[in-house]
Amino acid sequence: DARVTQTPRHKVTEMGQEVTMRCQPILGHNTVFWYRQTMMQGLELLAYFRNRAPLDDSGMPKDRFSAEMPDATLATLKIQPSEPRDSAVYFCASGLGTQYGELSTEAFFGQGTRLTVV
Amino acid sequence: DAKTTQPNSMESNEEEPVHLPCNHSTISGTDYIHWYRQLPSQGPEYVIHGLTSNVNNRMASLAIAEDRKSSTLILHRATLRDAAVYYCILRDVEGGSEKLVFGKGTKLTVNP
Repeated sequence: DARVTQTPRHKVTEMGQEVTMRCQPILGHNTVFWYRQTMMQGLELLAYFRNRAPLDDSGMPKDRFSAEMPDATLATLKIQPSEPRDSAVYFCASGLGTQYGELSTEAFFGQGTRLTVV
Repeated sequence: DAKTTQPNSMESNEEEPVHLPCNHSTISGTDYIHWYRQLPSQGPEYVIHGLTSNVNNRMASLAIAEDRKSSTLILHRATLRDAAVYYCILRDVEGGSEKLVFGKGTKLTVNP
């Protein structure tokens, strides 16, 4: 049963600490999305990658957030330094994009990482 | 991204049909209509999508108005497991957009 795997599922950290969230997309998927969900803002798109290259990270605070894909099986979202306002659930999703740039199939979401910054 | 408008919440009874509306009056000719849902404590999951014609799959049906300015997601027999937030999203495929931009969605409550 193919699925997107996110680790850790829960993370509590102190303000100022570095946080790294990991995502294993579905094998063969070439598009990866990072979302953040809070009660106030709902689901916000932070960034997305196609074939490991960042295509759009306009939703991501650049000063403290960074997203990378070291290889096709791993996407990371890093926050340094973390702040209480970063507390949220972070979702990763993957899909299969075509040569024309559109997503040919639905996006599959992971279970999320619940981050609490105290 | 084109905007969609959905009711904040709806209620249904178990085993009854549910019609979830979505207005998208500014839809363009190349916008696909996608529906996702998010169960409590889960990530969103795909439900259905369509362009012009009505669509059916094992989860739901999608009815698209002739002018495409509105659509309705139909759950034929609601179960308790269908209680979730349902999102209606427009995606411009010809624009080469892979983005899924979520709005506030409709929170569906299913009563036993």
